[in-house]
Amino acid sequence: EVQLVESGGGLVQPGGSLRLSCAASGFIFSDHHMAWVRQAPGKGLEWVCRIRNKINSHTIEYAASVKGRFIVSRDDSENSLCLQMNSLKAEDTAMYFCGREVSGSFDFRGQGTLVTVSS
Amino acid sequence: DIVMTQTPLSSPVTLGQPASISCRSSQSLVHSNGYTYLSWLQQRPGQPPRLLIYNLSNRFSGVPDRFSGSGAGTDFTLQISRVEPEDVGVYYCMQGLQAPFTFGPGTKVEIK
Repeated sequence: EVQLVESGGGLVQPGGSLRLSCAASGFIFSDHHMAWVRQAPGKGLEWVCRIRNKINSHTIEYAASVKGRFIVSRDDSENSLCLQMNSLKAEDTAMYFCGREVSGSFDFRGQGTLVTVSS
Repeated sequence: DIVMTQTPLSSPVTLGQPASISCRSSQSLVHSNGYTYLSWLQQRPGQPPRLLIYNLSNRFSGVPDRFSGSGAGTDFTLQISRVEPEDVGVYYCMQGLQAPFTFGPGTKVEIK
C-alpha cells in the first residue's frame, strides 16, 4: 500500500525556519518525481515545488512565491522527501502535502503537516 | 503561467442524479507526446486531496467508474454519473503540462 507521511510542521515566527519531511513507502520511491503542495486555511491548492527522479537528474522547480526561500531535497536510499523553509512569512501558513507524481498529476496519501507562521 | 478556471464554483446536486463540472485552461494542455496533462482531484471535508482522473480521462486506481473525464485542448469536463453521499467535497482541476503547475479554484459539490 502506498503511504506518504508528512511531519515537521508547527508554529514559527515570521522570518524563522522549519524543515518538513515526508516518509514514503509502498512504491519505488526513486522512480517517481515528488512534489509539495500546500493549502492555506479555507483556500484552494497551491503547488510549491517538484523534484524529479534520478533519471531526470533530480532537477527542481519552485513556485515563484517560495523560490529563494524554500529548498526541496530527497534521499532515495531513505525513501524520504524534505522541504527546508526559510524566511517564513505569514502567507506561508498552510497545510503542506507531499505527493508522488503520476503522469502529470499528484497522488497524495498523507494528512499533511500544518505550518503556522505567526508572532 | 497557465490559468485554470472552473464552473460552477458551487453545485447542489441530488443523490442518484448526474453532476458535471467544467474546467478551462488559458492555453492548450496537449503535450508534444500527444497526452493531455489535465487531471481532476477530489477533496472530501477534512481529508487530503485524492487523485481521480489523470491525462484527461484515465481513472486512477480505486476510483469508481461513475467518475469520468473528457474534453480537448482547453475545455474539460468531469462527470459523475450518479452522485453518492461520499461524493460531497471540493473538486479541483489541475494542469500538469508545465511548471508552475496550477489548480482551478475548486467546485464545491453538496447534496440538495
